[in-house]
Amino acid sequence: NFMLTQPHSVSESPGKTVTISCTRSSGSIASNYVQWYQQRPGSSPTTVIYEDNQRPSGVPDRFSGSIDSSSNSASLTISGLKTEDEADYYCQSYDSSNPYWVFGGGTKLTVL
Amino acid sequence: EVQLVESGGGLVQPGGSLRLSCAASGFTFSSYEMNWVRQAPGKGLEWVSYISSSGSTIYYADSVKGRFTISRDNAKNSLYLQMNSLRAEDTAVYYCARVPGSYDFDYWGQGTLVTVSS
Repeated sequence: NFMLTQPHSVSESPGKTVTISCTRSSGSIASNYVQWYQQRPGSSPTTVIYEDNQRPSGVPDRFSGSIDSSSNSASLTISGLKTEDEADYYCQSYDSSNPYWVFGGGTKLTVL
Repeated sequence: EVQLVESGGGLVQPGGSLRLSCAASGFTFSSYEMNWVRQAPGKGLEWVSYISSSGSTIYYADSVKGRFTISRDNAKNSLYLQMNSLRAEDTAVYYCARVPGSYDFDYWGQGTLVTVSS
């Protein structure tokens, strides 16, 4: 199975833009879609990006996703940061060779 | 409104068993693949098990293979996880999650806490 590696934490000020990376250890990042989940303290995860760059209805367009084959990574970008964006963010993909659903270790976003 | 409600968690001794349930409503349960995902206290998300819409295809994470059994009853709109030979490292909040079709999870339950301790 491959691994997805995320930074443990990131912090940024309100109104700014932050990008969280998710690097795949082996195999191509483009092989399977990448999803991003937001988890606020004490709550269940919710999807903010699916299929690499698609936003579910109700998720503001401040959230965007992309993949970069050159770095074999996916990225979640949040612009116009709000204090309500403070949460843990997890990337997720699928290992079709096994099969196995793989999560990144999570990134704690602090908006201060 | 889609709802997934887990139940059955609790405190169990190492080596013991527990059966989790997930009651689904607000959608045609029999049309969707389902998964169990867990989260140890203060840790990240870990996929546990998958079951196809008919129940004919099942997968497990290596960490639970041979000890956990996933099943579903489409007539009762329910998903289950039978957990045997429980270990301290199985302590976690267990979520049921729906798969809309692209290997992602679009709806999650509120989770049920399983604590394995003597």
